Parts: sequence; C-alpha cells; structure tokens
Amino acid sequence: SYELTQPPSVSVSPGQTASITCSGDKLGDKYACWYQQKPGQSPVLVIYQDSKRPSGIPERFSGSNSGNTATLTISGTQAMDEADYYCQAWDSRAVVFGGGTKLTVL
Amino acid sequence: QITLKESGPTLVKPTQTLTLTCTFSGFSLSTSGVGVGWIRQPPGKALEWLALIYWNDDKRYSPSLKSRLTITKDTSKNQVVLTMTNMDPVDTATYYCAHKGRGGDEGWFDPWGQGTLVTVSS
Repeated sequence: SYELTQPPSVSVSPGQTASITCSGDKLGDKYACWYQQKPGQSPVLVIYQDSKRPSGIPERFSGSNSGNTATLTISGTQAMDEADYYCQAWDSRAVVFGGGTKLTVL
Repeated sequence: QITLKESGPTLVKPTQTLTLTCTFSGFSLSTSGVGVGWIRQPPGKALEWLALIYWNDDKRYSPSLKSRLTITKDTSKNQVVLTMTNMDPVDTATYYCAHKGRGGDEGWFDPWGQGTLVTVSS
C-alpha cells in the first residue's frame, strides 16, 4: 500500500522559516494537500493541490510538490502556528495520510 | 457556510457494530462532484482515512478496513452513515466526517466536523 512519510517533529524559532516534508513514491505525479491540527481541535486545510491556499489561510503558508517530496513551508513562523501538520494524497482510489509532524515554535 | 456534525455512541463493546451519522448543512450531496468522507484518529496518533461517498453514490474504502466498513447516504436528510463491524479496542478513536468538494479522486477535505470520540471497551 502507498505510504507518505513525514518527520515526527520540526522545530523553528519565531520569525524563521519552517519546512515540513512529505515523501512518497512519485508523489510529484499526484496532488498533495496539507492540514493543520491544534490540540483538541479538528484538522484545518491549509494547502490544497500542492500549492493553493484556501481563503482565510495566511500567505505565510505555501506548498510545493516535485519528484518524491511535497513540502509545506511556513515563512515568518508565529507561535500560533505550533501544531501538528498532516499531508494527504490519493493513490489507487484511496486517500492516504502521512504520519504527521509536530511543529514546535521555540 | 458548510458545517458537519458527527453523532453516535460514545462507548461500544468489542465485537459490536458501530454506526455513526454525519449530519451536514451548507451543501447538497446531490451536487455533482461533492463527497463526504470519514477519517479517524486514535488518541495521540495520526489521522487514518476510512471511507468516502460521492454525490452519485460512488464509494471508496480504505483497503485495510474495507471488509468492515459500509458507507451510505440519505440525500433528503443531508446525512451520511458509516457502519463498522466487529469493533475492537484498537478502534478507539475520534471519528471525523468531512466535506470533499471538487477534484474527484485527487481532492481534499474541507471543512471537517468537530469529531466524536468512540471508546471500545467491555
């Protein structure tokens, strides 16, 4: 079965750029999307179709997808961005989620 | 504004069948391209996709759970129902339903319901 691999944790200083990767076989041939989940809350879509931002999502969130890796980039990271982030893609008519990355802003 | 809300039992016994209902507003499941999916999350663990139903009654299931899952819709009631048979303690999780818009089998879930915690224990 298809797998998406994320680093368990990423740390970033406030104001710096955070990059969270999501790896899967030929992931660049598929669309990737990203969700943010804060403690006790439901996931929120932050990036879809590799690099598009839903309305209401700050411009500091951006995405890219090429080769075997999709990347979520948060520029000028703020304390409020501390959360778990999950990538998602489709393979063979099934939805696949990555294992999640805990972003710590310190 | 699209909203979804999950409902169902908070506690089920091992081997029982779980039935969850997603009641939504702000969209119609008779609109071309629209779908509703179910995703679960065990405490402290990652998201796991379960099933999806499209406006035209086309269905998708997680390969690893397909034998235990059934997803149906009632368009007139704006509801989607998920049943999962033979529940086990490892199925303890928060169960979410979510709206899936355009994009077919390449799309995303937005928004999500608030989730409902289901505990499997005797």
